[in-house]
Amino acid sequence: QVQLVQSGAEVKKPGASVKVSCRVSEYSLSQLSMHWVRQAPGKGLEWVGGYDLESGNTVYAQKFQGRVTMTEDTPTDTAHMEVSSLRPEDTAVYYCVAEGTRGTREFDYWGQGTLVTVSS
Amino acid sequence: SYVLTQPPSVSVAPGKTARITCGGNNIGSKSVHWYRQKPGQAPVVVIFYDTDRPSGIPERLSGSNSGNTATLTINSVEAGDEADYYCQVWAGGSDHWVFGGGTKLTVL
Repeated sequence: QVQLVQSGAEVKKPGASVKVSCRVSEYSLSQLSMHWVRQAPGKGLEWVGGYDLESGNTVYAQKFQGRVTMTEDTPTDTAHMEVSSLRPEDTAVYYCVAEGTRGTREFDYWGQGTLVTVSS
Repeated sequence: SYVLTQPPSVSVAPGKTARITCGGNNIGSKSVHWYRQKPGQAPVVVIFYDTDRPSGIPERLSGSNSGNTATLTINSVEAGDEADYYCQVWAGGSDHWVFGGGTKLTVL
């Protein structure tokens, strides 16, 4: 059973950057297709970016392009997501997510979420 | 961009049937996944690939997908079914993954 454990809550000022980590256990990161999804307070789920099966690359939702960078450190089985130029509207819980291993691409495994608060 | 439309809320009495819809242009040609999210928790897959249930999800939950509407059906609704439900598809192109806006299921 894949387990995803994320880093702790962060408080940042507008214009700053934040890096959230997600450690994979009971599986190898290199064998998983990873994504990041965020949820603003009281709002719905929003895909931020992740692995694109067609290209084999990491891709980002259009609204985040240029501000979000996703990386993977396979020796430590840890995925990272960095968001730069933070704005108050980036305040949200950020989830790392792994697709299931059935090949049907549902988001089967979720981290516990990391609350990022952007406030002056 | 590809948009998935869900009703903001659905209310149902215990023991009755709840139907949560997810509308999208020709969504019947795409694979739909459904998630349940309870307060303070991460989402959980309840239906994947339109109609399949992960292990541990009761048969009371089922999915269908045709034309411009996918539907999550919950039979014999229980108090424990009260949650937010989200549909999701791979829209392709520059949209990649898209979630519906979510539906709050209230058990009366």
